[in-house]
Amino acid sequence: GAVVSQHPSWVICKSGTSVKIECRSLDFQATTMFWYRQFPKQSLMLMATSNEGSKATYEQGVEKDKFLINHASLTLSTLTVTSAHPEDSSFYICSARQPGIDTQYFGPGTRLTVL
Amino acid sequence: DAKTTQPPSMDCAEGRAANLPCNHSTISGNEYVYWYRQIHSQGPQYIIHGLKNNETNEMASLIITEDRKSSTLILPHATLRDTAVYYCIVTWASGSRLTFGEGTQLTVNP
Repeated sequence: GAVVSQHPSWVICKSGTSVKIECRSLDFQATTMFWYRQFPKQSLMLMATSNEGSKATYEQGVEKDKFLINHASLTLSTLTVTSAHPEDSSFYICSARQPGIDTQYFGPGTRLTVL
Repeated sequence: DAKTTQPPSMDCAEGRAANLPCNHSTISGNEYVYWYRQIHSQGPQYIIHGLKNNETNEMASLIITEDRKSSTLILPHATLRDTAVYYCIVTWASGSRLTFGEGTQLTVNP
């Protein structure tokens, strides 16, 4: 299957700082990427849909000014958690849709811990 | 997207077939059935998907009932590495958002 990478795989930051997470499709171009969040012992929750060259679409309850998404190229989407707080600590996972294959492929996830 | 119902947990002996059921009684004609799995602390892994016909790939087989109200994912020879949470998701197309339920925790025992 197609490969999606994320960087970093884990990050620890202080409260009030910003953290950027990168999601890359390594062997295909993705016009659409998705960002999910997963708290311990819970399922994945979709945060936003990212379309290349346009503004992201956020799910209800997700603060767009806090979770900034940029999809500047067909192989890269970034999620920036601004002014992070301990309650933002979570597992953040991206996925990318491979055109013509009708399948979303997921990255390995980024573990964010806010102190 | 149609709602899916899966058992919370299942056990399987190593080397035996694992049959994971999923109910999706409200599925509409153009909705696909997708299966993903998530091994602890990793991103979900795509397994297989189908619309109406049964499907098979190198990982698994997907059996969809004729009325499309339920399906079964079959891992023909389960290994310890197949221990994971398995998610059955119904959606219009892969470009659509995926709504993850609680899934089935499959534990493969030696």
